[in-house]
Amino acid sequence: AQSVSQHNHHVILSEAASLELGCNYSYGGTVNLFWYVQYPGQHLQLLLKYFSGDPLVKGIKGFEAEFIKSKFSFNLRKPSVQWSDTAEYFCAVNAERTGANNLFFGTGTRLTVIP
Amino acid sequence: DSGVTQTPKHLITATGQRVTLRCSPRSGDLSVYWYQQSLDQGLQFLIQYYNGEERAKGNILERFSAQQFPDLHSELNLSSLELGDSALYFCASSVRRNTEAFFGQGTRLTVV
Repeated sequence: AQSVSQHNHHVILSEAASLELGCNYSYGGTVNLFWYVQYPGQHLQLLLKYFSGDPLVKGIKGFEAEFIKSKFSFNLRKPSVQWSDTAEYFCAVNAERTGANNLFFGTGTRLTVIP
Repeated sequence: DSGVTQTPKHLITATGQRVTLRCSPRSGDLSVYWYQQSLDQGLQFLIQYYNGEERAKGNILERFSAQQFPDLHSELNLSSLELGDSALYFCASSVRRNTEAFFGQGTRLTVV
């Protein structure tokens, strides 16, 4: 069965620090990869996505992620975080199977940015 | 605003009761997904519909059921509610398979 692992449960950073959140998935076939963000009290919003092509994907608000197929990873990065980045971040994987479009989510990483 | 509408926003009900959560997908989206988010279980996929047909089932309890109507809105029915069913229930929609999903604001269910 497909699974998505986010090993960092809670990350605390000071403003201007660099961020890297890990995401690993277990599925050998073709995958589409996503990072979603959930600000406090809000719904999930798409940060960025990878379907094919350049494995370095740029998203909104200065976030980027790199797909490393050999490592089954899709880590999220931001060079300099802001207080407003405080939120929960979810990695999601959609395995390309006929007739289904399941988005499997990781358990999420809570990011707290200290001003 | 994602374009996905969920009603109601909040629901408080007693154990043993039955509730219905409603989701209207974005215009043109054929796929609807339901997720449950709780503190201890995280974001759990429940079920997916595509153009009225059930396409995938996740960790959905037998007490829960869903359907997607011809106008593509979907309802999630939760019955014989237990305290542990208290959670945020999100609906998401996508235009077709293998595209990103857009989430609604969620329905916060509290079972007392």
